[in-house]
Amino acid sequence: GAVVSQHPSRVICKSGTSVKIECRSLDFQATTMFWYRQFPKQSLMLMATSNEGSKATYEQGVEKDKFLINHASLTLSTLTVTSAHPEDSSFYICSASATQGRPTEAFFGQGTRLTVV
Amino acid sequence: QKEVEQNSGPLSVPEGAIASLNCTYSDRGSQSFFWYRQYSGKSPELIMSIYSNGDKEDGRFTAQLNKASQYVSLLIRDSQPSDSATYLCAVKLNSGYSTLTFGKGTMLLVSP
Repeated sequence: GAVVSQHPSRVICKSGTSVKIECRSLDFQATTMFWYRQFPKQSLMLMATSNEGSKATYEQGVEKDKFLINHASLTLSTLTVTSAHPEDSSFYICSASATQGRPTEAFFGQGTRLTVV
Repeated sequence: QKEVEQNSGPLSVPEGAIASLNCTYSDRGSQSFFWYRQYSGKSPELIMSIYSNGDKEDGRFTAQLNKASQYVSLLIRDSQPSDSATYLCAVKLNSGYSTLTFGKGTMLLVSP
């Protein structure tokens, strides 16, 4: 299946700092990438939909100025958590859909465990 | 409000038994249905996709879809301890790039 690479897998940062998470589609082009957040024992919650070359679409309740998304190419989207606080500690996962083949299937990155201390 | 409902479990089955995981969804316009497996601390892994009514089999896994009842299920035959994970049901409104709506997942525990 298609490969989506997410980096870093784990990050610990101090409160008030910013953290950037990268999501790459390695063997296919992804017009659309999705960013999810998952708290312990909770389901995946969609944060935003990232479209190449345009502004991201954020879900209700997600602060676009805090969670900056950039989708500069068909293979790379980044999520920057700005001025992180302990309540932002979570598991962040990206997914991407291929532009060819079966676009309905979404492939997930490995996830990033963010801990804000 | 699109909703996908799953029993949180845990569903406990002995090794070798059939595990049956169920999911209902609220949006009748949904056309694409997926089952993901998620191990603790890992990201979801696609197991099955199903788009039309009926059964779809892949190895030990069978997905069943009933659009009239808005119900999709996953059967795991000959369950193994390595199948112990949380299984997420996901639904998409159409075949384009609309977003997936996930259920909260069912935890499956397969005992040796």
